[in-house]
Amino acid sequence: AQSVTQLGSHVSVSEGALVLLRCNYSSSVPPYLFWYVQYPNQGLQLLLKYTTGATLVKGINGFEAEFKKSETSFHLTKPSAHMSDAAEYFCAVNSWHQFYFGTGTSLTVIP
Amino acid sequence: NAGVTQTPKFRVLKTGQSMTLLCAQDMNHEYMYWYRQDPGMGLRLIHYSVGEGTTAKGEVPDGYNVSRLKKQNFLLGLESAAPSQTSVYFCASKETEDYGYTFGSGTRLTVV
Repeated sequence: AQSVTQLGSHVSVSEGALVLLRCNYSSSVPPYLFWYVQYPNQGLQLLLKYTTGATLVKGINGFEAEFKKSETSFHLTKPSAHMSDAAEYFCAVNSWHQFYFGTGTSLTVIP
Repeated sequence: NAGVTQTPKFRVLKTGQSMTLLCAQDMNHEYMYWYRQDPGMGLRLIHYSVGEGTTAKGEVPDGYNVSRLKKQNFLLGLESAAPSQTSVYFCASKETEDYGYTFGSGTRLTVV
């Protein structure tokens, strides 16, 4: 069975500071991994994904994530937070036809 | 614009009423999904479909039914709504296994 754990349901950073959102997964097979962002009253948008190949994946809006198989992690980072980054972020694992989502991390950016 | 369209966007039901949520995609995707989103619980899969005429149960299927008579449409039905079904419902579709989902903008359902 697959599962996704997001450490920290709420994260606050100052504008311009590093953003680090943590995601660990459990999977019996090499997974496909995703990060989604959800702005208030909207659906989820794909930020980035890892399927195969390079383990450092770059996404939209300056975000990137690194797949570390040995640590079963797929943490999301951004060097410098912007006010517009305030949103809910979901990590997800894809296994066969189903996605398994983490419970989400709400990011607050402090001016 | 191509994408996933959900109707309606908002709805209030009385306990015991029925309704159908419609999801339509114009990207010719094979796979379609219905999720519900509740605070602190992330997204939970209700039902999904891997192609026209096929449906399968997800994590929380009880109280819901679905149909995929046409490839582009995926309907979610509530036969007898209950307050526990108050939630935000998202439809999603994807082309293949290693692609990410394209999500609709959601339906906010309140059952009173």
